[in-house]
Amino acid sequence: DAGVIQSPRHEVTEMGQEVTLRCKPISGHDYLFWYRQTMMRGLELLIYFNNNVPIDDSGMPEDRFSAKMPNASFSTLKIQPSEPRDSAVYFCASSLVSTATLTYEQYFGPGTRLTVT
Amino acid sequence: AQKVTQAQTEISVVEKEDVTLDCVYETRDTTYYLFWYKQPPSGELVFLIRRNSFDEQNEISGRYSWNFQKSTSSFNFTITASQVVDSAVYFCALSEDPNSGGGADGLTFGKGTHLIIQP
Repeated sequence: DAGVIQSPRHEVTEMGQEVTLRCKPISGHDYLFWYRQTMMRGLELLIYFNNNVPIDDSGMPEDRFSAKMPNASFSTLKIQPSEPRDSAVYFCASSLVSTATLTYEQYFGPGTRLTVT
Repeated sequence: AQKVTQAQTEISVVEKEDVTLDCVYETRDTTYYLFWYKQPPSGELVFLIRRNSFDEQNEISGRYSWNFQKSTSSFNFTITASQVVDSAVYFCALSEDPNSGGGADGLTFGKGTHLIIQP
């Protein structure tokens, strides 16, 4: 089975440009998470969705950041306008919560390395 | 608020030595999940293990073992007979129990431990 798919893997853009990161979660998973990894702050949660509905976006740093999940197999994280301090690795993760088996695991995509110059 | 502390920023050992990575957590939840992830130099986050707070049995998987002690809020990870391929950054993470009624939430990560295995 395919894991979480993210595109692009690398993105270099100039300050002020719009950036869109894409994620395809594992089929059948009902949760999708966006994280950001930087040297200074480590791994931090930005926003997450349950059944395509945003549940908690308190980690989104500014109004310049927005995320959508139009269907169960696709999500985007958009930064507009981008700034150099947005340079980081952005990870998407998906989960399936099973009350029947009491299982809960989060699987991460390969990440998108964003550089804003 | 949840917090995960990995006090060891970097550990360097010679191949074949055993090494333990420490993880201490704080949470007010009565049930929760603990995770370990490996991040090799290539950058991806590889899931290693998930442990529910009501299951305090230690687990062994090949050269890897995990020691969960609720009394000390610790979830330590030991690699036996380390190999160069084990070199990576290892993250411990915490989440509330999604089956406790509130649904899933994101993981709270520690800062990671950079493990260097020298040949």
